[in-house]
Amino acid sequence: EAEVAQSPRYKITEKSQAVAFWCDPISGHATLYWYRQILGQGPELLVQFQDESVVDDSQLPKDRFSAERLKGVDSTLKIQPAELGDSAMYLCASSRRQGDNEQFFGPGTRLTVL
Amino acid sequence: QQQVKQSPQSLIVQKGGISIINCAYENTAFDYFPWYQQFPGKGPALLIAIRPDVSEKKEGRFTISFNKSAKQFSLHIMDSQPGDSATYFCAASIRAAGNKLTFGGGTRVLVKP
Repeated sequence: EAEVAQSPRYKITEKSQAVAFWCDPISGHATLYWYRQILGQGPELLVQFQDESVVDDSQLPKDRFSAERLKGVDSTLKIQPAELGDSAMYLCASSRRQGDNEQFFGPGTRLTVL
Repeated sequence: QQQVKQSPQSLIVQKGGISIINCAYENTAFDYFPWYQQFPGKGPALLIAIRPDVSEKKEGRFTISFNKSAKQFSLHIMDSQPGDSATYFCAASIRAAGNKLTFGGGTRVLVKP
């Protein structure tokens, strides 16, 4: 069964350092989402891609966060510099196309900023 | 701005009992209402979903009830099993706006054997 892959699964970093997360969506899925889930809360969308184009990054803190999906397949989310408040689970999800009901989530990357 | 409010935050139910989780939304443009199940260390997985033109949807032991006029929907887990112990999230989206999911705060369900 096809799954969304994410790495690393866990990342511990110090404040002001740079971190990067990688996501490989299910093959053929055109739409890719990055969500942030703070412990005890529901996920919140950071950025949505349709192929290689950003369609919604209204909730992405652009002073420190960046995301790219250069070839419209896998994607990287970067934080520079990391702050204590960035500690959270970063989830990647994909769907076959924009507007498709079901989003398939990866296992997430648990970030701890010390 | 919390557009989807979920309650309770946690609940404990005995095996065989009924678990009920409620959600309320504000944006009347929402047209898709899924429920996700999340186990510790895993990403959320779609459990069941409903559109606003239907008042109820049942899949196995899971039922969604939807009240459009009250802007509320709920998840009922019948004959709850220990394997159902997980965190459940309601969500809402607008298909024409890219289907961006707005999640509720989550309900941690513990089913005691």
